[in-house]
Amino acid sequence: AQSVSQHNHHVILSEAASLELGCNYSYGGTVNLFWYVQYPGQHLQLLLKYFSGDPLVKGIKGFEAEFIKSKFSFNLRKPSVQWSDTAEYFCAVNEGLRGSTLGRLYFGRGTQLTVWP
Amino acid sequence: KAGVTQTPRYLIKTRGQQVTLSCSPISGHRSVSWYQQTPGQGLQFLFEYFSETQRNKGNFPGRFSGRQFSNSRSEMNVSTLELGDSALYLCASSLRGDYTDTQYFGPGTRLTVL
Repeated sequence: AQSVSQHNHHVILSEAASLELGCNYSYGGTVNLFWYVQYPGQHLQLLLKYFSGDPLVKGIKGFEAEFIKSKFSFNLRKPSVQWSDTAEYFCAVNEGLRGSTLGRLYFGRGTQLTVWP
Repeated sequence: KAGVTQTPRYLIKTRGQQVTLSCSPISGHRSVSWYQQTPGQGLQFLFEYFSETQRNKGNFPGRFSGRQFSNSRSEMNVSTLELGDSALYLCASSLRGDYTDTQYFGPGTRLTVL
């Protein structure tokens, strides 16, 4: 079964610092990759997604992620974080082209980001 | 367009009882997936429904079941509740549930089992 690893459980940064959150997955076939964010008291929202094409994907609120197939990684980055970025971030993967996994996302355990003003 | 809605938002039950949670997908979405979120296990897939058919199921006991209606609304049921079933239950909808779709999540139902 697919597994998704997020390396950092809790990251604490000051405003304007740069952010990189790691995500690795285990499935060696075609994958589709997602980053979701959960702000305090709110539901999971999609930040960005990668299906194919340019491995550098840009999302909302200045976030971007890079898919490196050889490293099975999909790291999330933001050059300058804001206090409002305080949230929990989840990496998710689905196994593209496998009918047995329709509608199923595999999630990492999440990374709690705290940004101090 | 209205988002995914889930009712109720909070539930308190006792061990041995059963519970039914409801999910209304985004209009036009035909796939509904359910997830359980706990601090210990994170987000785990329960099952997925498309056009009233369960197409995919996660590794949960038979006490967890679900169904989907012709209007794409979905319910999940947990029978004989255990303390370990306390969790946030999330519903997500997508157009078709295939691998290119984005899943949109609802706010969840917080279930507490005493």
